Amino acid sequence: AQKITQTQPGMFVQEKEAVTLDCTYDTSDQSYGLFWYKQPSSGEMIFLIYQGSYDEQNATEGRYSLNFQKARKSANLVISASQLGDSAMYFCAMSPSSGGSYIPTFGRGTSLIVHP
Amino acid sequence: EAGVAQSPRYKIIEKRQSVAFWCNPISGHATLYWYQQILGQGPKLLIQFQNNGVVDDSQLPKDRFSAERLKGVDSTLKIQPAKLEDSAVYLCASSPISRQGGYEQYFGPGTRLTVT
Repeated sequence: AQKITQTQPGMFVQEKEAVTLDCTYDTSDQSYGLFWYKQPSSGEMIFLIYQGSYDEQNATEGRYSLNFQKARKSANLVISASQLGDSAMYFCAMSPSSGGSYIPTFGRGTSLIVHP
Repeated sequence: EAGVAQSPRYKIIEKRQSVAFWCNPISGHATLYWYQQILGQGPKLLIQFQNNGVVDDSQLPKDRFSAERLKGVDSTLKIQPAKLEDSAVYLCASSPISRQGGYEQYFGPGTRLTVT
C-alpha cells in the first residue's frame, strides 16, 4: 500500500520569495514515480513536475524543483520567486511505475497563499 | 488544442437517484481517467481506460458505479443509486499514453455533485 503525507495544511509566502511544500511517502515498491499538481480555485488539476525513483538528479521545471531524498522518503516541492498566481492547492502524488502502470495515491494537499 | 471537456459542471440530486457524467478527452489521447475528489482531500482514481479497455478499476465501487468508454473516445461515469457520501467533484483526465503514468495528464474542470 502507498501513502502520501502532506503535513502543511496551509502555507503563506511573500511574493518573489521561495517556498517549500513538504511531502513524505511510504511504499514497498522499488520503482515508482512522484508527482506534484497544482489546483487553482477553478478546480482544474495542473501537472507541475515528475520524479522517478531511479532518477539521480532532482527534477526541475522552470520555477519548480523537486527536492528528492529517497532515503528519507521525501519529495518536497520548491517554488522559487513566488508569484500571486501561485496561490492554489498543491497535491503530491505517487504511483508504482513497474510495467508502465499508473495507479496514483494523492496526499490531502497544501493550500499556498502568496501575499503581495 | 481543445482541453478535456466535462459536463455537466454541477449536479444536485437526491439520494437513491441516478446520475451520469460525461467526459470528452483531448483528441488523440489514448488513456482516460476518472477521479473522485471529496472536499478537503486529494483525488482518488476510480477507473483508468486505455483506448476502450479498462486498465484499472480496483477503486471503483462497482455495486453502484459504472463507467464505459465506447469507441475509445468519450466516456461516461454513472452512479446508481447515489448515496450522500458520493458528494464530490468528479474529475476526468486524459493522457497520450500511460508510460510512467501521469506525466502528461490533462484534467478537465470537473463535475461537482451534491447528493441531498
